[in-house]
Amino acid sequence: DAMVIQNPRYQVTQFGKPVTLSCSQTLNHNVMYWYQQKSSQAPKLLFHYYDKDFNNEADTPDNFQSRRPNTSFCFLDIRSPGLGDAAMYLCATSRARAGYTFGSGTRLTVV
Amino acid sequence: QKEVEQNSGPLSVPEGAIASLNCTYSDRGSQSFFWYRQYSGKSPELIMFIYSNGDKEDGRFTAQLNKASQYVSLLIRDSQPSDSATYLCAVNLYGSGNTGKLIFGQGTTLQVKP
Repeated sequence: DAMVIQNPRYQVTQFGKPVTLSCSQTLNHNVMYWYQQKSSQAPKLLFHYYDKDFNNEADTPDNFQSRRPNTSFCFLDIRSPGLGDAAMYLCATSRARAGYTFGSGTRLTVV
Repeated sequence: QKEVEQNSGPLSVPEGAIASLNCTYSDRGSQSFFWYRQYSGKSPELIMFIYSNGDKEDGRFTAQLNKASQYVSLLIRDSQPSDSATYLCAVNLYGSGNTGKLIFGQGTTLQVKP
C-alpha cells in the first residue's frame, strides 16, 4: 500500500547530540511537511518542501534543518537538541491542493 | 489571534448521542478545511474535508462550513466509545506558488461515555 513511513518510531538522544529523523513516501506526492507536536498541543508546522523548493516557517528555530535528496525521502536534522525539543515529529505529504497523508510519527526523547 | 481556534474541552457525551465540535479560523482566504482524529500517542487520521459552504456527510460524520462566519463544525451521530479521541480542525493556507500549508487548531478532546 502507498504510504508515508517514519523511522524510527521512538528516538532517544542526548542533550546537544545531533539527531536525524527520516521520512519516506511511496505516494509520489510533490509536497512534504515536517510538524512538531508537543503534548496536548496542536501540530506546529516547521517547514515544507514543494518539490525541491524549501519553505521555512518564520518561527522555526535555526536548530532545525531539513534535507530532501529526492521525491521519496525527507530528513529532519536537529543540530543540538534541547530538552524543549522533546516532542512527536510528524511527516506529511500532499499533492498540491489535495489531501494530506501523515506518517505514524517519531517520538523524540532528549535526556 | 490564533489562526485556527477550537475549544479544548473535554466534550463529554453519552453513547448514542450527537457530538458537535466547532472551529473558527481567521484567514478569509482559506480554501479547504479538514477534520482529523488523533488518538493518544498516534498520528492524526483524516476524517473529512470540505471545500464548499454547506454540509458534507460521510456515514456518521457531517462537516459544516460557513465561510461568511469563518466557521467549520463536525457532527458525529450515534457517538461510540471508540470515537473518544482528540479532534483536530485544520485549515489549508496557500503560500507562494500555491504550495499550501495545513495549520491546525489545538484540538477538542471528546469523551463518549458508555
